[in-house]
Amino acid sequence: DTGVSQDPRHKITKRGQNVTFRCDPISEHNRLYWYRQTLGQGPEFLTYFQNEAQLEKSRLLSDRFSAERPKGSFSTLEIQRTEQGDSAMYLCASSPLGAKNIQYFGAGTRLSVL
Amino acid sequence: AQKVTQAQTEISVVEKEDVTLDCVYETRDTTYYLFWYKQPPSGELVFLIRRNSFDEQNEISGRYSWNFQKSTSSFNFTITASQVVDSAVYFCALIYSSNFGNEKLTFGTGTRLTIIP
Repeated sequence: DTGVSQDPRHKITKRGQNVTFRCDPISEHNRLYWYRQTLGQGPEFLTYFQNEAQLEKSRLLSDRFSAERPKGSFSTLEIQRTEQGDSAMYLCASSPLGAKNIQYFGAGTRLSVL
Repeated sequence: AQKVTQAQTEISVVEKEDVTLDCVYETRDTTYYLFWYKQPPSGELVFLIRRNSFDEQNEISGRYSWNFQKSTSSFNFTITASQVVDSAVYFCALIYSSNFGNEKLTFGTGTRLTIIP
């Protein structure tokens, strides 16, 4: 089994531009999570998919953020009209169905908004 | 509300010393799970251990050991005979189920551990 894969690893963009990140979970993992981690903080939950259904979104996720998981496999996270406050590490995790299963994380995409 | 507190922001020890990372949690749930993750400079969060609220037995895995005490809401992590490769940020986390059946992790702010050769 390969681990959770995220692309790109680093993204530098100018304020106001749109960016899209991709996450490939561990195969056969039904659950997929996005978290955001700012400097010196622990990851914070953004959104959750079970298969292709987006079941929960955090209040941290403004209208400029959208996530999809079209076929229940990979997921994309898009940020429109980026702001400097969006600069962070965006982490993806996956887990199989079942109570309190371990979430396996990717290496993250580090976004810098200039 | 769920909360995880890691009061130690940074710790430095000399190689081969033992070190304990503290974790205190708050939850109203009677059933919950606690986790420790390691984040090396590469950025990936590496799972270390999961412990459920009904099992208060201490656990040892090689040089790692965990002490879970429900009475003090603590889940501390000890590294024995530390090595330079142990240098990383360590996160304690709590999992609970939201109304949506989601199981999202609540993380502490992490402890940056530096092992000095």
